[in-house]
Amino acid sequence: AQKITQTQPGMFVQEKEAVTLDCTYDTSDQSYGLFWYKQPSSGEMIFLIYQGSYDEQNATEGRYSLNFQKARKSANLVISASQLGDSAMYFCAMREGSGTYKYIFGTGTRLKVLA
Amino acid sequence: NAGVTQTPKFQVLKTGQSMTLQCAQDMNHEYMSWYRQDPGMGLRLIHYSVGAGITDQGEVPNGYNVSRSTTEDFPLRLLSAAPSQTSVYFCASRARPSGNTIYFGEGSWLTVV
Repeated sequence: AQKITQTQPGMFVQEKEAVTLDCTYDTSDQSYGLFWYKQPSSGEMIFLIYQGSYDEQNATEGRYSLNFQKARKSANLVISASQLGDSAMYFCAMREGSGTYKYIFGTGTRLKVLA
Repeated sequence: NAGVTQTPKFQVLKTGQSMTLQCAQDMNHEYMSWYRQDPGMGLRLIHYSVGAGITDQGEVPNGYNVSRSTTEDFPLRLLSAAPSQTSVYFCASRARPSGNTIYFGEGSWLTVV
């Protein structure tokens, strides 16, 4: 069965440093999509970055990059130059297969950026 | 830019009461869905719809009802609220068929006492 695993319940990072949030997934589909969302303390879910299973390049969006290692089934989020506003809960998610509409989410990692 | 709009934002219900969480989107998205978020469990899919008149169950559908009479609206009904339904509820939508990313509403905090 498809599954998303985030093994880090909480992380600390010093301001201006880079941090990697881990995400592994399990699927038998060849076509799938991987996502990261940010949930600040205000509660909304903010889309950060997307990686398709056939994309050869790692996705990047500003200070966010997705380290996609297909053979290891990992899709880690890298945040460069952390800012205090990056303190939030981060969720990894996967769209199962192509042409489907079911998204599964990991349990999240709470990131705290220290001044 | 309204995006996905959910109402109400906060609600307290008594056990056994019924209520409807409203969700509307103005992006002409065909796909809409409802998730619940519980501590330590991430988001779990309740119901989803791929177009007007079409709905399907997700991972945790029991106790919830949905309908999709228009493209814009996708209400979630709690038939007889139970304390186990205390949660944060998110509505989400995406374009179909080419869209990949789902966009969320701001969430609805529901407490059942």
